[in-house]
Amino acid sequence: QKEVEQDPGPLSVPEGAIVSLNCTYSNSAFQYFMWYRQYSRKGPELLMYTYSSGNKEDGRFTAQVDKSSKYISLFIRDSQPSDSATYLCAMRNAGNMLTFGGGTRLMVKP
Amino acid sequence: DGGITQSPKYLFRKEGQNVTLSCEQNLNHDAMYWYRQDPGQGLRLIYYSQIVNDFQKGDIAEGYSVSREKKESFPLTVTSAQKNPTAFYLCASSSPGGLGKNIQYFGAGTRLSVL
Repeated sequence: QKEVEQDPGPLSVPEGAIVSLNCTYSNSAFQYFMWYRQYSRKGPELLMYTYSSGNKEDGRFTAQVDKSSKYISLFIRDSQPSDSATYLCAMRNAGNMLTFGGGTRLMVKP
Repeated sequence: DGGITQSPKYLFRKEGQNVTLSCEQNLNHDAMYWYRQDPGQGLRLIYYSQIVNDFQKGDIAEGYSVSREKKESFPLTVTSAQKNPTAFYLCASSSPGGLGKNIQYFGAGTRLSVL
């Protein structure tokens, strides 16, 4: 079993929809949680960073962490075609090493 | 502009050949990393370096080698011992921030294919 599980998709939604992307994990030592967005043939770029449980909002994006369930989510409101990309969750404990999910491919159709 | 530069963007390797991927950063970050990305498998850590002249193996180091002679540079060599080198290679760097924050920033990647 992988340490971080993420549905690979693809997830196809119409423009304007609310998108929910999720990851589950097994290592209770993870404290820092990140979401990266990766466009095709590009490097990942950091979207959201959260520490411990709770919610964090940034514009149309909301990151949610539930450590008791070992479950993290990224919500995208009013999704746009430009949001079409692969979304990678990543997490780490107190050290520097990140553990990544396999990524979910999102397609937002006009 | 501060950032991480990877070159070349595309690289082709012949059988039995060693090839070197370049990674340069001007972010003044101490730590640098190399990842391999295969479809549907996320990112897997090849090697990392926390400081100049020091580096450690990641999860899939076999068939790869690195050096860290300068803070700015962390080249990755894919040796002929790596039997399945076709993948997208990503370089990242990071530096400690407040409250345990330590964000990794990525380059644009190098796509390696076997001829």
